Amino acid sequence: DSGVTQTPKHLITATGQRVTLRCSPRSGDLSVYWYQQSLDQGLQFLIQYYNGEERAKGNILERFSAQQFPDLHSELNLSSLELGDSALYFCASSVDGNTIYFGEGSWLTVV
Amino acid sequence: GQSLEQPSEVTAVEGAIVQINCTYQTSGFYGLSWYQQHDGGAPTFLSYNALDGLEETGRFSSFLSRSDSYGYLLLQELQMKDSASYFCAASDTGRRALTFGSGTRLQVQP
Repeated sequence: DSGVTQTPKHLITATGQRVTLRCSPRSGDLSVYWYQQSLDQGLQFLIQYYNGEERAKGNILERFSAQQFPDLHSELNLSSLELGDSALYFCASSVDGNTIYFGEGSWLTVV
Repeated sequence: GQSLEQPSEVTAVEGAIVQINCTYQTSGFYGLSWYQQHDGGAPTFLSYNALDGLEETGRFSSFLSRSDSYGYLLLQELQMKDSASYFCAASDTGRRALTFGSGTRLQVQP
């Protein structure tokens, strides 16, 4: 158990819909990261927050957005969903930026 | 930006030693880490190198050479449970998100 909690674990939704993925980082970690992993693909960095502020942005689509709240939990919002958005979405947290700890991921299936 | 290259697949037998290489091209490189991911699971941290040399953690060791922009993960006394994907990842001086390699799928055979 990494200490990073993600909900929901599985989600099936239709094209065009919007979903929100939630992440609670490890206690004391100020940085939260979101990664996307499609089938047999690597880990694509989406976005990073540090203590409530956006720190870095990766290959995140305009249809996707995220935020980190004062209690440090984070949400990733995915809208106008397409079939190609089906993937495993990981949240990770870190205290020093060199070692990050992943949650178990949220499996999103768009049908 | 940063990019990392690692082999896509490696096969080895139980009890053997395997080395997974990673070369990187980065700006502001700070350190190299390694993660293990079993199918359907979350990546888990294995090892981290900020300085040149070898770091040993049980059966796993990791090596970094900054001058060569190169590192490797060494797995000894391979077990069937070591069959997984292994990712190298680079951190930068700005403490921004790790950039991951595309992963090496290790298959351990009896």
